[in-house]
Amino acid sequence: DQQVKQNSPSLSVQEGRISILNCDYTNSMFDYFLWYKKYPAEGPTFLISISSIKDKNEDGRFTVFLNKSAKHLSLHIVPSQPGDSAVYFCAVLNNAGNMLTFGGGTRLMVKP
Amino acid sequence: KAGVTQTPRYLIKTRGQQVTLSCSPISGHRSVSWYQQTPGQGLQFLFEYFSETQRNKGNFPGRFSGRQFSNSRSEMNVSTLELGDSALYLCASTMDYNTGELFFGEGSRLTVL
Repeated sequence: DQQVKQNSPSLSVQEGRISILNCDYTNSMFDYFLWYKKYPAEGPTFLISISSIKDKNEDGRFTVFLNKSAKHLSLHIVPSQPGDSAVYFCAVLNNAGNMLTFGGGTRLMVKP
Repeated sequence: KAGVTQTPRYLIKTRGQQVTLSCSPISGHRSVSWYQQTPGQGLQFLFEYFSETQRNKGNFPGRFSGRQFSNSRSEMNVSTLELGDSALYLCASTMDYNTGELFFGEGSRLTVL
């Protein structure tokens, strides 16, 4: 069973517009949620995180929203830039704090 | 500060062989984890080590094993390779796993023929 799902394998947006990436999870006991970005031929890099006690966390152009009742996580990128083109993975941290479970990823393409 | 270093970056093996991959974490990081990335299954957790102890293991067969040395360097081994083991193997290190912020290496791409 997939505990973390990203239903959109790809997303294309125009430069300057908002990118919204979505993620659903099944276990309401998760405490920590994260987004990672991955460029080809590189390892994933941490982007932003949010704990379950919050519903929003902002870092520059990146904002993560958490809707616990819907078990839904989203990442907003405003404004989108061509350099944001990458694969984005959402992830949840297990309660023991020693394992991340990743979604399948969404490939974002930002067109100039 | 040097990042996470993985060797080798690319390797080709044949079915039935075994392979050992190496990971040098960021200096000071005592937690090292391994993940497998495949097109069909995404990023899947293999195992996590902290101070030479395996604290968690993912849902992989016993052919997949690992260890961590006293200097925090880690190795993973896959024996009796199968075609389905072809993947990018990623190592990540961190000082504090509780934040979920892992620092990944560039990965070792294994092709099994």
